[in-house]
Amino acid sequence: QVQLVQSGAEVKKPGASVKVSCKASGYTFTIYYMHWVRQAPGQGLEWMGVINPSGGSTSYTQKFQGRVTMTRDTSTSTVYMELSSLRSEDTAVYYCARGGRGKMTTVEYWGQGTLVTVSS
Amino acid sequence: QSALTQPPSASGSPGQSVTISCTGTSSDVGGYNYVSWYQQHPGKAPKLMIFEVSKRPSGVPDRFSGSKSGNTASLTVSGLQAEDEADYYCSSYAGSNNFVFGTGTKVTVL
Repeated sequence: QVQLVQSGAEVKKPGASVKVSCKASGYTFTIYYMHWVRQAPGQGLEWMGVINPSGGSTSYTQKFQGRVTMTRDTSTSTVYMELSSLRSEDTAVYYCARGGRGKMTTVEYWGQGTLVTVSS
Repeated sequence: QSALTQPPSASGSPGQSVTISCTGTSSDVGGYNYVSWYQQHPGKAPKLMIFEVSKRPSGVPDRFSGSKSGNTASLTVSGLQAEDEADYYCSSYAGSNNFVFGTGTKVTVL
């Protein structure tokens, strides 16, 4: 069965960076795109970007351009999302979420989420 | 890329139907048959309920159905049950490797 297991909760100070990991299992890692989505407390879902684990190509939404970096390690079937220059508004649950086979047109499976708290 | 527009809330009695709309533009909802719907219970990760406008993943009850007309997609939940009370989000592919979610709708079973 498909499983996406994310790293644990983080507390960061404003201006710092955070790196969240997502280890995939139960399917061929390189065939499916991986999205990153965040949800601020009491708010809706916000798409951050996507990575193609096959070649490592990425696409980020304009809001996070220059602050987010998505990478992958095919040897461990793990994707990473690093967000820099953190501010209080970045406090949210961050989800990795698997796309469809060879395409990014939907989200089929979700990780359990990682709470990132930004506070001085 | 602006979020797709959904009504903040919707409600119905058990056994009734509720329909949620998701309005975008010709650059997202109207331009592609790649609208999906997700159900999210409090404190849980979302769950895919509908993909490619009207297709149901294995295990999703046929009480859930999707459709699209122009720039607006819709999710209908028929035969409402208590466990259907949740937040629902739509999403759409928006071209050029972009993706967008809706603003979310809280469904209440009266």
